[in-house]
Amino acid sequence: DVKVTQSSRYLVKRTGEKVFLECVQDMDHENMFWYRQDPGLGLRLIYFSYDVKMKEKGDIPEGYSVSREKKERFSLILESASTNQTSMYLCASIKGGGNRAGNTIYFGEGSWLTVV
Amino acid sequence: DQQVKQNSPSLSVQEGRISILNCDYTNSMFDYFLWYKKYPAEGPTFLISISSIKDKNEDGRFTVFLNKSAKHLSLHIVPSQPGDSAVYFCAASEDNAGNMLTFGGGTRLMVKP
Repeated sequence: DVKVTQSSRYLVKRTGEKVFLECVQDMDHENMFWYRQDPGLGLRLIYFSYDVKMKEKGDIPEGYSVSREKKERFSLILESASTNQTSMYLCASIKGGGNRAGNTIYFGEGSWLTVV
Repeated sequence: DQQVKQNSPSLSVQEGRISILNCDYTNSMFDYFLWYKKYPAEGPTFLISISSIKDKNEDGRFTVFLNKSAKHLSLHIVPSQPGDSAVYFCAASEDNAGNMLTFGGGTRLMVKP
């Protein structure tokens, strides 16, 4: 059974703080993603990674960075948190080969971040 | 501009009746479509998918219909159960675009006992 684990479920941070959101998957998936979910906007892609040390910008990368030093771990970094980054953050992973029957994306349980 | 839209932010249905959730898209390159279900404080979970070569896919109480000419898909849940109450996201991906998914804004379904 695929497991995508986000270590921090609920965080409250101050404006300007550096924030790390950690994600680990245990199925040897090549591809990992960070999304944020906001009401009415659905899930928006922040960054993704197809391999170790590789990263690509998604639709809303501004204010974020990522790190993929090991295949199983993908970290999202907010260099200087701002109140408009208050959101639910979702990590996801999928085996390489595309979204097709039998190979779909799996999500973690989400990290609720509040920036005050 | 959102390429995948779910125009109904919420839907309320009586238990036992049919729930119909709708999704529209604008990108003609999308060739694979998925529905995800999300409970509060949990991550989305995969529900059902359909390839653009089909117009219908059924899995138990859940059926997804695809109308490529209208760029429209819908999810039917029959019969609806209170446990189906959740937010449903429609998602789409392009051919040869790896694993990129574009999500709609979600529809909150409430099934009343």
